[in-house]
Parts: sequence; structure tokens; C-alpha cells
Amino acid sequence: DADVTQTPRNRITKTGKRIMLECSQTKGHDRMYWYRQDPGLGLRLIYYSFDVKDINKGEISDGYSVSRQAQAKFSLSLESAIPNQTALYFCATSGERGDYYNEQFFGPGTRLTVL
Amino acid sequence: ILNVEQSPQSLHVQEGDSTNFTCSFPSSNFYALHWYRWETAKSPEALFVMTLNGDEKKKGRISATLNTKEGYSYLYIKGSQPEDSATYLCALTSYDKVIFGPGTSLSVIP
Repeated sequence: DADVTQTPRNRITKTGKRIMLECSQTKGHDRMYWYRQDPGLGLRLIYYSFDVKDINKGEISDGYSVSRQAQAKFSLSLESAIPNQTALYFCATSGERGDYYNEQFFGPGTRLTVL
Repeated sequence: ILNVEQSPQSLHVQEGDSTNFTCSFPSSNFYALHWYRWETAKSPEALFVMTLNGDEKKKGRISATLNTKEGYSYLYIKGSQPEDSATYLCALTSYDKVIFGPGTSLSVIP
């Protein structure tokens, strides 16, 4: 079984709908991240969490919110989806709370289309 | 960390050729530089992490160097194979930021 899983893998929705993307990990990591990938722009950080009580905005957090329900679960919500949020979304995990060096382990991605 | 740039944006090489590409950054104020390999329809996977000026890492035919004083890291692939075709990402991590470069897309032609 994969260490980092994301659900759903694909989603098509309409403008104005609320969407939740879920991420679960079995690696026992404290640090979890949400990224979006747009063609030509690479990965951009939306939110990150160093532990259950420590959640921080990334560079493009507007229009998104997150919830860290447990060490293993980190959800990303789009309260009112808009077409320019169409993208490939990745969840990632890495190491302990104070560990700034470890590599990140990525989930398989969620392809979201907002019509 | 202001911006992470990678060059070239894309690269096409023949099987057996050696190649290299660059990750550049304006500041050495970060904890670590990571290289990731991202195959189409898969997730990025870590290749190397480097932290000190002069660091060199090697894994098989792939190696990387870090020069924090001049603000760049090189990734080298010796004797490219079709299975090396992927996008190669570099990322810098500081206390509260992870900044990815846009990637270099490598295509190895059999």
C-alpha cells in the first residue's frame, strides 16, 4: 500500500461548489504539505503543517483552507471553487516537526477541474 | 529565498549522451537543496538532498553538486537512457518555506 494517499484522484466540479481533497499518510511524519501544479509554474505551496496544532499559509493560500484532523490526515478545502483553481494538487509529507532537511514524499495527486 | 530558477526549461538528448542542468538561487539563506525526479503520470521522487557548500552526491549515473557561494546546483546524468526521461525539480527549504523551481524536462531519444 502507498505511504501517502490522496482522495479523490480526479474530480470535476462546478463554479461555486465546496470541494474537499483528503490526504492520509502512514509514514508517521509530522510535517505535511499541500501543493498545486500548473503547467510551466512548477509546484506552489498552498498550506503546510508542522504538527496537528501548527498550520501555516503558503505562497498561494487565498481561496483555500485546511484541516489537520490527526497526525496522519491533512485535508484541503476549496470553499467556493473557481475555474482558475483547476490544477493538479499534491499532498506531501516529510519528517519530524523540527526537521528541515528531509526529503518530501508525495501522494499520487488529485486532478481537479472546475467548470 | 526569493526565487528558484532552472535551466534549460527543456532538453532533448540522444541515448548515451551525458547532460547537465542547473538550479540557481539568489540567496544562500536556506537549510537544504533537494533534487526530485518527476516522471509523467507519477509523483515527484527525491534524488538528493544537499546542505553544505561543496556538497556532492551520486546515485548510479546521476550526480549533483552544490555551490552556495555562487548560487547554483548542477545535476549531471552520465550516459542518458530513455528511462531518464522526466522532469527534474530542485527545491530549497528554509524554516518556513519550500520553494520549487519550475523544472527541467528531459527527453532521451532512443
